[in-house]
Amino acid sequence: SYELTQPPSVSVSPGQTASITCSGDKLGDKYASWYQQKPGQSPLLVIYQDYKRPSGIPERFSGSNSGNTATLTISGTQAMDEAEYYCQAWDSSTAVFGGGTKLTVL
Amino acid sequence: DVQLVQSGAEVKKPGESLRISCKGSGYSFTTYWISWVRQMPGKGLEWMGRIAPSDSYTNYSPSFQGHVTISADNSISTAYLQWTSLKASDSAMYYCAGGVAVAGTVWFDPWGQGTLVTVSS
Repeated sequence: SYELTQPPSVSVSPGQTASITCSGDKLGDKYASWYQQKPGQSPLLVIYQDYKRPSGIPERFSGSNSGNTATLTISGTQAMDEAEYYCQAWDSSTAVFGGGTKLTVL
Repeated sequence: DVQLVQSGAEVKKPGESLRISCKGSGYSFTTYWISWVRQMPGKGLEWMGRIAPSDSYTNYSPSFQGHVTISADNSISTAYLQWTSLKASDSAMYYCAGGVAVAGTVWFDPWGQGTLVTVSS
């Protein structure tokens, strides 16, 4: 079965840039989405179709996808961005999520 | 405002059946695929399967095929996730999520608020 691999944790200082990677076989041939989940809340879509931002998502969130790796980048990271982030893609009509990355802003 | 509102928390015993619901509002219900996603305590997101309310087409993750049933009632804009015999390992938060199919992909937006299912003797 298809797998997406994310680092378990990423740390960033306030105001700096955070990058969270998501690796999968030929992931660049698929569309990647990214979801933010804060404790006790439902997931929230932050990036879809590799780089598109839904209405209401700040411009500091951006995405890219090439080769075997999709990347979520948060520029000028704020304390409110501390959360778990999940990548997601489709393979053979099955949605697959990465294991999640805990972003710590310290 | 497009919304998915899920049914409330459930406490069940092993072997019991259960159906939880996800009601859509603010849009034409048949427009969006409805997926169900499991999140076990302290763990990540797992896609279980989806339904196209327009024709009730369903497909399931191999991990959940045969263990749950997804259905929908368009007349009341509601999708369901059903178990016939619960196990303790089914204890988890379950989310429904809407999505539109575009260019061969579906992204999940919006999400319901989640339904906590606890299975314990």
